[in-house]
Amino acid sequence: QKEVEQNSGPLSVPEGAIASLNCTYSDRVSQSFFWYRQYSGKSPELIMSIYSNGDKEDGRFTAQLNKASQYVSLLIRDSQPSDSATYLCAVNREGGNKLVFGAGTILRVKS
Amino acid sequence: EAGVTQFPSHSVIEKGQTVTLRCDPISGHDNLYWYRRVMGKEIKFLLHFVKESKQDESGMPNNRFLAERTGGTYSTLKVQPAELEDSGVYFCASSFRTGGTEAFFGQGTRLTVV
Repeated sequence: QKEVEQNSGPLSVPEGAIASLNCTYSDRVSQSFFWYRQYSGKSPELIMSIYSNGDKEDGRFTAQLNKASQYVSLLIRDSQPSDSATYLCAVNREGGNKLVFGAGTILRVKS
Repeated sequence: EAGVTQFPSHSVIEKGQTVTLRCDPISGHDNLYWYRRVMGKEIKFLLHFVKESKQDESGMPNNRFLAERTGGTYSTLKVQPAELEDSGVYFCASSFRTGGTEAFFGQGTRLTVV
């Protein structure tokens, strides 16, 4: 079992719709959770971080964390073609310094 | 403010040669990380510096890889001798604090060993 699992996709959504990206993790002591967006050939760009159960909203992005279910998600409202990218879920153990990444989900927003 | 910068962006070398990758972290970030993504796999942690000290090098694949961070500023990652399986994209990241805080990535160096 991989430490961080994501559906590789591609996830296709029409422009203006809500895109829902999901991630599960296996290590219960994980404490910090991050979503990175990566365009082809570019650096992973940090878009959201979440540390406690519940929702965290930032503009069109909402991160959701459920530690009991070991599940973290990213919702993108009003999806735009420019949101088309690979979204990487990353998890950090309690007290640790290294990120464990999922393989990423490819998102395609069609206009 | 400049982000994390890496050099070169691409490198093609022959098996058995040596390659040195460089990373300049964000100014003021004491924490510097190296990661690697090989074809079709997840991004994997290699090692972590706090200033000039290696905090965690548990992800280094073998002793052909040597990372340094002289003076706690930029870092280099040397692969000597390079093997075919070393091909991939090497990312550097930096963060202001340790312990699960946000890390910012460079654009990566694509290494191809032929």
